Amino acid sequence: QSALTQPRSVSGSPGQSVTISCTGTSSDIGSYNYVSWYQQHPGKAPKVMIFDVNKRPSGVPDRFSGSKSGNTASLTISGLQAEDEADYYCCSYAGNYTYVFGTGTKVTVL
Amino acid sequence: QITLKESGPTLVKPTQTLTLTCTFSGFSLNTSGVGVGWIRQPPGKALEWLALIYWDDDKSYSPSLKRRLTITKDSSKNQVVLTMTNMDPVDTATYYCAHRGITVFRGVITPHNWFDPWGQGTLVTVSS
Repeated sequence: QSALTQPRSVSGSPGQSVTISCTGTSSDIGSYNYVSWYQQHPGKAPKVMIFDVNKRPSGVPDRFSGSKSGNTASLTISGLQAEDEADYYCCSYAGNYTYVFGTGTKVTVL
Repeated sequence: QITLKESGPTLVKPTQTLTLTCTFSGFSLNTSGVGVGWIRQPPGKALEWLALIYWDDDKSYSPSLKRRLTITKDSSKNQVVLTMTNMDPVDTATYYCAHRGITVFRGVITPHNWFDPWGQGTLVTVSS
């Protein structure tokens, strides 16, 4: 069970869109629609932003959206805002009641 | 409102056993489908899922750490305990516990496959 692969960093100017990829295998992302995304600000606990690939918890702005194709999931932040600068982690159910997280992506707002 | 809080030693020596407690409120681990998980994060590094315990006392562990981990619950105390044996400096990390909830619709219980909310985390340093 290897960590899901994410780009180390992505950046964008305020108002732009950024997309973070999360690549797994046919044993995790490819087999289940149970991908979640977490936002983590420095020194804080992670907060769920997307669950079940593309669903947003109440209170999460609709500029956050998720999708999946094959073994790769993606998180898109549209209309980037300064407060979106944080680390983002994907997570997938991996079968046998186990989960696997991604390597993490730092989003920088230029 | 659901809250969780981790507690335990801040410093352990190599080869020792780490015992962490997650004390929660706002939900019951006797509720069908509910679970509590543990996740850790070494300084400056990524999150790593460790273990999960379910309302029915079923348990799951990270395959790579399974031999070293034990997760238990005391539903009457609203606590979940994680033990990790043979600690090494590479196990230095912030350890989080997190709630895995359920959705009930027309009497059908659907367990969640995400973690929300999380505790504040507790930093454990492994050093002699």
